[in-house]
Amino acid sequence: DAGVIQSPRHEVTEMGQEVTLRCKPISGHDYLFWYRQTMMRGLELLIYFNNNVPIDDSGMPEDRFSAKMPNASFSTLKIQPSEPRDSAVYFCANEDMRGGYTFGSGTRLTVV
Amino acid sequence: GENVEQHPSTLSVQEGDSAVIKCTYSDSASNYFPWYKQELGKGPQLIIDIRSNVGEKKDQRIAVTLNKTAKHFSLHITETQPEDSAVYFCAAVNEKLTFGTGTRLTIIP
Repeated sequence: DAGVIQSPRHEVTEMGQEVTLRCKPISGHDYLFWYRQTMMRGLELLIYFNNNVPIDDSGMPEDRFSAKMPNASFSTLKIQPSEPRDSAVYFCANEDMRGGYTFGSGTRLTVV
Repeated sequence: GENVEQHPSTLSVQEGDSAVIKCTYSDSASNYFPWYKQELGKGPQLIIDIRSNVGEKKDQRIAVTLNKTAKHFSLHITETQPEDSAVYFCAAVNEKLTFGTGTRLTIIP
């Protein structure tokens, strides 16, 4: 099993541009989480899905952020328009068998 | 909701010494407490976990303790090695996982 796969690993974009982050979860795991990590705020839960349905998006900072999970093997996090304060590392994670999470390697987003 | 506090935020220890990281949680319904290690450029990785019906668990050089009454849990690393240098996160789980703020551990050779 390749684990949780995220792409791209790094993204540099100009302010105002649309950014799409991608996640391929582990097959057969029902829960999928999107986290954002910054020095100031640590790891913040943005949104999570159960069986492809968004359950809690209270962590999504603004309407500029949206997430979808069209099927069990793919999820996206979109920021439109992007701003410099969105610069962070974004992680996708699956719940594992014990109730903890398996994380992807993250996407480092820089908005200039 | 759950609130997890973690201390210290930074910790430096001599190689071979022990390191202890402490966490407290607020929600008595939390019943699972994983610990994660995050190395530079990587996502957090589970290193050990403990459930609320257990007071202590050990895996080679790392151990976790849990005091449900006081809502405290701790990570202990013995005989530290340079490769233990990383950021460590505690977490508490009740339906969803809440992370502590992290401890940057540096092992001094």
